[in-house]
Amino acid sequence: GQNIDQPTEMTATEGAIVQINCTYQTSGFNGLFWYQQHAGEAPTFLSYNVLDGLEEKGRFSSFLSRSKGYSYLLLKELQMKDSASYLCAVRSNSGNTPLVFGKGTRLSVIA
Amino acid sequence: DAGVIQSPRHEVTEMGQEVTLRCKPISGHNSLFWYRQTMMRGLELLIYFNNNVPIDDSGMPEDRFSAKMPNASFSTLKIQPSEPRDSAVYFCASSPTGGNQPQHFGDGTRLSIL
Repeated sequence: GQNIDQPTEMTATEGAIVQINCTYQTSGFNGLFWYQQHAGEAPTFLSYNVLDGLEEKGRFSSFLSRSKGYSYLLLKELQMKDSASYLCAVRSNSGNTPLVFGKGTRLSVIA
Repeated sequence: DAGVIQSPRHEVTEMGQEVTLRCKPISGHNSLFWYRQTMMRGLELLIYFNNNVPIDDSGMPEDRFSAKMPNASFSTLKIQPSEPRDSAVYFCASSPTGGNQPQHFGDGTRLSIL
């Protein structure tokens, strides 16, 4: 089966750093994606990891450990507009195949 | 460059009625995915197409659901007859060739069946 776990909710303070964890057990692995979804809107692509290590993109970074089936999304210098759901998704087969999504972590940024 | 375009944005109808959701993928993208999102179950794949051909429809809940992709720029998801438990947000996404390519999502159709 396919299973992706992430915390349901998190709260953090404006200007702080927050780490959102994701663990996965899937039949195969061909990349891990993070998406951001504001309430009532579409998911938008944030980052992609296929090799172990850290990928940095501005205030956002994503880490992958394939041996541990683990990833995290790191958000620095939090802003109020970062309040959203963050979805972890795994592509378990090669090629243009579907993603398996976690249920998302709802992040609230407070002043 | 236009993104994935879905219509309608909102649909409210009575149970038993036929519902048709529409999607125009990004030009040049050869894969199209239909997902359904609910609070309880999150984002779930319903069906996907590569080069207009349905590849996997195992996520389609039952025979009341059907999807077509008559050409590279258009797809429909049809529910007939609709039931209250079909109420959800339905997203269409497209992606170009390449396993490292992300899927790009449309704004979704918020469907309410009364």
